[in-house]
Amino acid sequence: QQKVQQSPESLSVPEGGMASLNCTSSDRNFQYFWWYRQHSGEGPKALMSIFSDGDKKEGRFTAHLNKASLHVSLHIRDSQPSDSALYFCAASDYAQGLTFGLGTRVSVFP
Amino acid sequence: EAAVTQSPRNKVAVTGGKVTLSCNQTNNHNNMYWYRQDTGHGLRLIHYSYGAGSTEKGDIPDGYKASRPSQENFSLILELATPSQTSVYFCASGGQHQNTLYFGAGTRLSVL
Repeated sequence: QQKVQQSPESLSVPEGGMASLNCTSSDRNFQYFWWYRQHSGEGPKALMSIFSDGDKKEGRFTAHLNKASLHVSLHIRDSQPSDSALYFCAASDYAQGLTFGLGTRVSVFP
Repeated sequence: EAAVTQSPRNKVAVTGGKVTLSCNQTNNHNNMYWYRQDTGHGLRLIHYSYGAGSTEKGDIPDGYKASRPSQENFSLILELATPSQTSVYFCASGGQHQNTLYFGAGTRLSVL
């Protein structure tokens, strides 16, 4: 069973629009969450981390964490063509490396 | 920004052969990791290390060995490569567990 589940699998959003990605963990040991972005042919790159309940904003990206429900979301405002990529949610239980979800593929169309 | 370099970038191997994937980081991070990425499975942890001389099993260690001879270098070894190990492999480094991981550009391995 996938410990970190992401939805949707894929998402198309118009340029300038809002993209919303969701992630839920089934393991209550996970206390730290990240969003990573991977462009084709490259390694994943961290977008932002979130460790506390509530919102965290970095530029056009806003993450929201609800520890009680183990749900974390990512919202991309004013989407740009360069935002087209595979987005991973990742979680850590402080024991070993990150556990990743399967990813959400975001496509930004003109 | 943290730099993680993987070599080779592409590798074709024969079934039953030995394959070594190399990773070097220049950021003095204690922790290093090997992941593989497959469609439908995302990124899965193979082995990791807390420092020179240490290696730990991740979620899918079978068929793989790891070696951490120094702070900077971490290798993944496939003693007897099989076609099921065809994948893209990523190395990453990071500080403490709540710190961000920095990934290399990946090695695309095909086992024929």
